[in-house]
Formats: sequence, C-alpha cells, structure tokens
Amino acid sequence: GQNIDQPTEMTATEGAIVQINCTYQTSGFNGLFWYQQHAGEAPTFLSYNVLDGLEEKGRFSSFLSRSKGYSYLLLKELQMKDSASYLCAVRVYGQNFVFGPGTRLSVLP
Amino acid sequence: DAGVIQSPRHEVTEMGQEVTLRCKPISGHNSLFWYRQTMMRGLELLIYFNNNVPIDDSGMPEDRFSAKMPNASFSTLKIQPSEPRDSAVYFCASSPLSGGRTDTQYFGPGTRLTVL
Repeated sequence: GQNIDQPTEMTATEGAIVQINCTYQTSGFNGLFWYQQHAGEAPTFLSYNVLDGLEEKGRFSSFLSRSKGYSYLLLKELQMKDSASYLCAVRVYGQNFVFGPGTRLSVLP
Repeated sequence: DAGVIQSPRHEVTEMGQEVTLRCKPISGHNSLFWYRQTMMRGLELLIYFNNNVPIDDSGMPEDRFSAKMPNASFSTLKIQPSEPRDSAVYFCASSPLSGGRTDTQYFGPGTRLTVL
C-alpha cells in the first residue's frame, strides 16, 4: 500500500520560519512534490525533489532524504497569505501520484 | 493561456441521477488527471490519460464511475447512478509530459458536487 503522513495542523507567527514534515512509504518513487492549496481553491505547485538534498526557491525550500522516506517544506519570512494547506505528493510510477492528507497552516499576526 | 477549465463549477443533484463533469486541459498538455477531494480521504487520483489513452484507472471507486477523453482538448467524468457518498470536489489537472524535470500538474478550479 501507499502511505504518506503529515501533521494535520500547524500555527506560526508572521515573519517566522516554519517547517512542515512529510514521511512516506510507497511502492515506488519517482519524485516528491509540494503543493499549496488555499481554502476553496485548487492546489498549486510549489516545489519538486527527486534527488536527496535541499531545493531553494525564494522564501520556500524543500528537502528530501530518499533513504529515510522523508521530506520537509521550509517557509521563511511567513506572511498572512501563506495561511493555507500544504500537500506532500509522491509520484510513485509513471504519472501516478499519491497525495498526503495535507497540513493546514495558520499564520497569526 | 486560460488554464484548465472545468464545468460545471457547482452541481447539486439527487441520488440516482447521472452526473457528467467536464474538463478542458491546457493546450499542448499530453497528460490529464481526474482527482476527488474530501475531508475524510483527502485528494485521491481516480484516473489519468496520456495522449488521450487511459493509463491507470485503479483509483476509480467502482463501476458507477467512468471517464473518457475523446480528443486532446476534452475529457468527461461520469457518475451513474450517483450516491450521497460521491459528494466531493472533483479536480481535473493536466501536465505537459515533456520529459522535463518536473512535469508538474496544473489543476482546474474544481467541480463541487453535492448528491442529496
């Protein structure tokens, strides 16, 4: 089976740094994706990792360790508009994606 | 580009009725995905197509669900007969499948389906 775990909810303060963790156990692995989803809207792509290490993209960074089945999304200089759900997804084979349950992040003033 | 287009945006129907959801992918994209999202089960992949051909439909919940992609610019997801437990947001997504680094998916706005 496929299993992806993320914390259900997190809270952080505007201007702070927050790390959202994702652990996965899947039958295959061909890349890990992070998506942002605001309430009532569609998911939008944030980042992609296929090799171990850190990928940086402005205020957002994503890390992957394939041997540990672990990834995290790091958000710096938090803004109110970062309040959203963050979805971790593994492309297990071909174009078959398995999504985690999502982490709802609340950014407080 | 207009992005992925889905219709209708909202659908309310009664149990037993047929429901058809429509999707127009981004022009030039070769892959098309249908997802269902609920609070209980999160985002689930139902089926995906490459070059109009269904590749993996293992996520389709049961025979009441069917999907077609008659050409590169149109796909439908049909539920017949519908049941209250089918109530969810259904997303369509497309991807370029260009062999590029990410081949990320672009999601449509979704169809919110309520079955009474």
